[in-house]
Amino acid sequence: QKEVEQDPGPLSVPEGAIVSLNCTYSNSAFQYFMWYRQYSRKGPELLMYTYSSGNKEDGRFTAQVDKSSKYISLFIRDSQPSDSATYLCASSNQGGKLIFGQGTELSVKP
Amino acid sequence: GAVVSQHPSRVICKSGTSVKIECRSLDFQATTMFWYRQFPKQSLMLMATSNEGSKATYEQGVEKDKFLINHASLTLSTLTVTSAHPEDSSFYICSARWDRGEKLFFGSGTQLSVL
Repeated sequence: QKEVEQDPGPLSVPEGAIVSLNCTYSNSAFQYFMWYRQYSRKGPELLMYTYSSGNKEDGRFTAQVDKSSKYISLFIRDSQPSDSATYLCASSNQGGKLIFGQGTELSVKP
Repeated sequence: GAVVSQHPSRVICKSGTSVKIECRSLDFQATTMFWYRQFPKQSLMLMATSNEGSKATYEQGVEKDKFLINHASLTLSTLTVTSAHPEDSSFYICSARWDRGEKLFFGSGTQLSVL
């Protein structure tokens, strides 16, 4: 079992839809949770960073972490064609390696 | 967010030559940097972890003599692909751990093509 599991998709939604991206993890020691966005042939860009459980909102993006169920979510409201990219969830413990999910390819259609 | 600069963005070389890729943290000090390799439609594969002033730690299956990593300062790490072969062609990405927490910031990546 991989330490961080993510459905690779692809996921296709119409413009304006709410997008829900999800990951599960197995290591109870993970405390730091991140979401990255990666455009083709570019480096990943840090979107959201969460420590421990809870919600975090930044503009159209909301990240949720439920440590009791080891579940990580990213919601994108009012999705735009420019949101089309691969989204990677990642987790780590303090000072440890960042473990990535497989990435979900998202396409937002105009 | 913090800025990590990676150069070159693209390199084409002949088989047998060596290629050096630079990774710089521009506005923070990075005691730890990471090097990843990524194949098309796949996630990031960690190759090695480098700590400033010490030898890099390589992941299982990564040839340390082929992929030389140097982290000589708090803002610069380099990856040298020695005697490159076509199978080394890939997208290489560096990242640096922010000095004020656990956030990891990535460079823009280097597309290596070995002919």
